[in-house]
Amino acid sequence: AQSVTQLGSHVSVSEGALVLLRCNYSSSVPPYLFWYVQYPNQGLQLLLKYTTGATLVKGINGFEAEFKKSETSFHLTKPSAHMSDAAEYFCAVSGYTGQFYFGTGTSLTVIP
Amino acid sequence: GAVVSQHPSRVICKSGTSVKIECRSLDFQATTMFWYRQFPKQSLMLMATSNEGSKATYEQGVEKDKFLINHASLTLSTLTVTSAHPEDSSFYICSVRPSGNTEAFFGQGTRLTVV
Repeated sequence: AQSVTQLGSHVSVSEGALVLLRCNYSSSVPPYLFWYVQYPNQGLQLLLKYTTGATLVKGINGFEAEFKKSETSFHLTKPSAHMSDAAEYFCAVSGYTGQFYFGTGTSLTVIP
Repeated sequence: GAVVSQHPSRVICKSGTSVKIECRSLDFQATTMFWYRQFPKQSLMLMATSNEGSKATYEQGVEKDKFLINHASLTLSTLTVTSAHPEDSSFYICSVRPSGNTEAFFGQGTRLTVV
């Protein structure tokens, strides 16, 4: 079974501050882990993914995430928040079947 | 450009009618496609796995007779919401994960409103 838990349904940061969105996963098989961003009434845009190899993954728009197997975590970070980062963020886990299981999402607000 | 195309992007229908949503894989042949539903302010929930040439596999709690899935070709899956009710109003998203890829590609979603 696979599942994802996102801690914090709402996160607010000041513009220029560090962004940290938390994600923990549960998987009975080696997981593929993803972060997606969603803007209102739009589909999902892939930020980054971890499949194998280097545990620190860099994505688009300055985001990165680190896969920590010992902590079953895949937290998303960005050193300096920008106003355009305000959106809904979803962590997801997938396995070999192609089905995705999403966390409940974290709404990021950036305060000017 | 888009890899997965959904149509329509928005639809409003009357209660009791049926609505068909199309999901097309533009760049890949897809023996398997996935349908998700997202209620307002909530996450995406997997509804069913669409299998080309065979029956769809539904997640627990999803009514297969209400949400009819047809995957007649390698590039097209359709989701028909039958006898729609206001509680079916939601954002429906399909996805394709091409063979050999770890990444899935998502459609832009369909906003269904049942009045």
